[in-house]
Amino acid sequence: DIQMTQYPSSLSASIGDRVTITCRASQSISRSLNWYHQKPGKAPELLIYAASSLQSGVPSRFSGSGSGTDFTLTITSLQPEDFAAYYCQQSFILPLTFGGGTKVEIK
Amino acid sequence: EVQVLESGGGLVQPGGSLRLSCAASGFTFNNYAMNWVRQAPGKGPEWVSGISGGGDSTYYADSVKGRFTISRDKSKNTLYLQMNTLRAEDTAVYYCAKDSGSSSFDTFDIWGQGTMVTVSS
Repeated sequence: DIQMTQYPSSLSASIGDRVTITCRASQSISRSLNWYHQKPGKAPELLIYAASSLQSGVPSRFSGSGSGTDFTLTITSLQPEDFAAYYCQQSFILPLTFGGGTKVEIK
Repeated sequence: EVQVLESGGGLVQPGGSLRLSCAASGFTFNNYAMNWVRQAPGKGPEWVSGISGGGDSTYYADSVKGRFTISRDKSKNTLYLQMNTLRAEDTAVYYCAKDSGSSSFDTFDIWGQGTMVTVSS
């Protein structure tokens, strides 16, 4: 199985900050990488697919980049509704696997 | 509105069985693969199983292979997960998730609200 490692596991940031989350795959997955966020008590929601494509309806302050084994999710100006957990997920091969998550908290 | 709605969760004893359902609406059900994804308390999501749009291909995580069965009913626009020989480690919120494609399993673009399954004596 492909292991997905995210870091940091948590971070504290302020409104308006630029935030970057990293995801590393245990082997090359081309650009088969998705990002989700999840608010407490809610289901995950798709933000970015295929490494850098913005899901319909997702604000443009979210962006993704990377290929191969290293990927990043960037939030250019953190908003109150962005405080949540973020997960990467590889879609290269079954079983589909998720990273351990990054919790973004208010500083 | 595109949505999926799970039901059927609950408390079950170890070794018991449970069947989850997921009612889909707002999209052509037969055109999309569907998945079950679970999330144990305090943990990240874990993909459990997927079924192609036509229902002819099914896949499972090793952790549930031989115990869980995924199926779909085109006439009812409903996805199912039959869970047998349940273990304590199966305790989780189970989400139904629509895939973005028909025969590939890759991107979960619509999720339900989840249904809690607790395996305990």
